[in-house]
Amino acid sequence: DQQVKQNSPSLSVQEGRISILNCDYTNSMFDYFLWYKKYPAEGPTFLISISSIKDKNEDGRFTVFLNKSAKHLSLHIVPSQPGDSAVYFCAASGGDSNYQLIWGAGTKLIIKP
Amino acid sequence: NAGVTQTPKFQVLKTGQSMTLQCAQDMNHEYMSWYRQDPGMGLRLIHYSVGAGITDQGEVPNGYNVSRSTTEDFPLRLLSAAPSQTSVYFCASSPGGGRAPGELFFGEGSRLTVL
Repeated sequence: DQQVKQNSPSLSVQEGRISILNCDYTNSMFDYFLWYKKYPAEGPTFLISISSIKDKNEDGRFTVFLNKSAKHLSLHIVPSQPGDSAVYFCAASGGDSNYQLIWGAGTKLIIKP
Repeated sequence: NAGVTQTPKFQVLKTGQSMTLQCAQDMNHEYMSWYRQDPGMGLRLIHYSVGAGITDQGEVPNGYNVSRSTTEDFPLRLLSAAPSQTSVYFCASSPGGGRAPGELFFGEGSRLTVL
């Protein structure tokens, strides 16, 4: 049973517009969430994180929103740039997964010029 | 500034062969882990270690062994390779020191094919 779900395998966005990537989770014990970005033939790199005591965290063009009641988080990228084209993974930890991150399947973001 | 180094980058094995994927980090991180990534799936944790001499199983540990004799190194051993172990393997480390691994630093990956 997938505890972290990214239901959109891919997303295409015009350069300069907002990109919104979504992630849902089922385990209410998760209390720490992260977003990673992955280019082909490279390892994932950390992008931004959020603790369950917050509902928003911002870092430059990247903002993560957490809705605990809906068990939903989203990553907003504004404005989207060509270099943002990559696969984005959300991951979660907490509860029984104290030392483990549980990952979503990823969303491939394509930024169109 | 090496970070996390994985070797080899590519490997082809025959069913039943054994091999070791090497992982080394130079950041003095306590936490190290091995993931596999398969098409259409997220990364799945194989084994992890919270410090030298300490290892534990992740989500998909069967068919893999690990050891952590030093802070720097965390090799992953496949004792008898099977086609189901065809995957891309990532090693990752984190400063740790807390309950959650937090931000992970990844190697570039090792692509393994088992025929």
